[in-house]
Amino acid sequence: DSGVTQTPKHLITATGQRVTLRCSPRSGDLSVYWYQQSLDQGLQFLIQYYNGEERAKGNILERFSAQQFPDLHSELNLSSLELGDSALYFCASSVALGYPGYTFGSGTRLTVV
Amino acid sequence: KNEVEQSPQNLTAQEGEFITINCSYSVGISALHWLQQHPGGGIVSLFMLSSGKKKHGRLIATINIQEKHSSLHITASHPRDSAVYICAVRSWGGDEKLTFGTGTRLTIIP
Repeated sequence: DSGVTQTPKHLITATGQRVTLRCSPRSGDLSVYWYQQSLDQGLQFLIQYYNGEERAKGNILERFSAQQFPDLHSELNLSSLELGDSALYFCASSVALGYPGYTFGSGTRLTVV
Repeated sequence: KNEVEQSPQNLTAQEGEFITINCSYSVGISALHWLQQHPGGGIVSLFMLSSGKKKHGRLIATINIQEKHSSLHITASHPRDSAVYICAVRSWGGDEKLTFGTGTRLTIIP
C-alpha cells in the first residue's frame, strides 16, 4: 500500500455519462497530481493541485475538471464521456512544492462502452 | 521528438541475465524517476535521481546530467521482474509535472 488511495479501482460506464474519480493523498502530502494513461498516448499529465488550489494544467479536456478539498482529497470529474476516454487514471501525491518525490496510487481503470 | 526517449521498447531475456534499460531526455531536469508498472496496472516508484547512482537490491540506476542520460540495470534478473519500466523527468522551473517515456516492456523467461 503506497498510502495514496484511489477509488473506485474499476469503473464501466456508457458514453455520454459523467463519473467522479477520487484520490486521497498520502498523509501529510499537500500536492496532488492526476495522470491519464491510454493505450495510444501513454502517461500524460492532466492537472495538479496544491493545498486546495490549482497549480498547473496539462492536457486536460474541457469536459474534465478537478478539485482538491480542505481535507486534501481530490476528485477528478469526467463528463460527456467518449469511448476514447477509456484509460487508467492515476493520482500521485507529493509532500510540498519543489519536492520532486512522488507516490502513486494504484489507479482507476475507466472503461467507456 | 519526445522529450523523453526510452530504449529498447521491448526486451526479452533469460532468467539470470543482466538487464539495461536506457533513457535519454532533452530538457533540463530537477529529477528523473524510474517507475515500474506490473500487468495489474499499479505504478511503483523505484528510484528518484538528480545525480550519480542509486542501488536498491538488484536494481541500480545511474544518471549523467551532462549527457542527459540515465540507465536502469537489473542484476540476476528474475521472472518477477517482468513489467513495464518507465522513465519520467521533472523539468526545471515551471510546472512540477512529470513527463514520461513510452516505457520498456521487460519479459524474463525462466
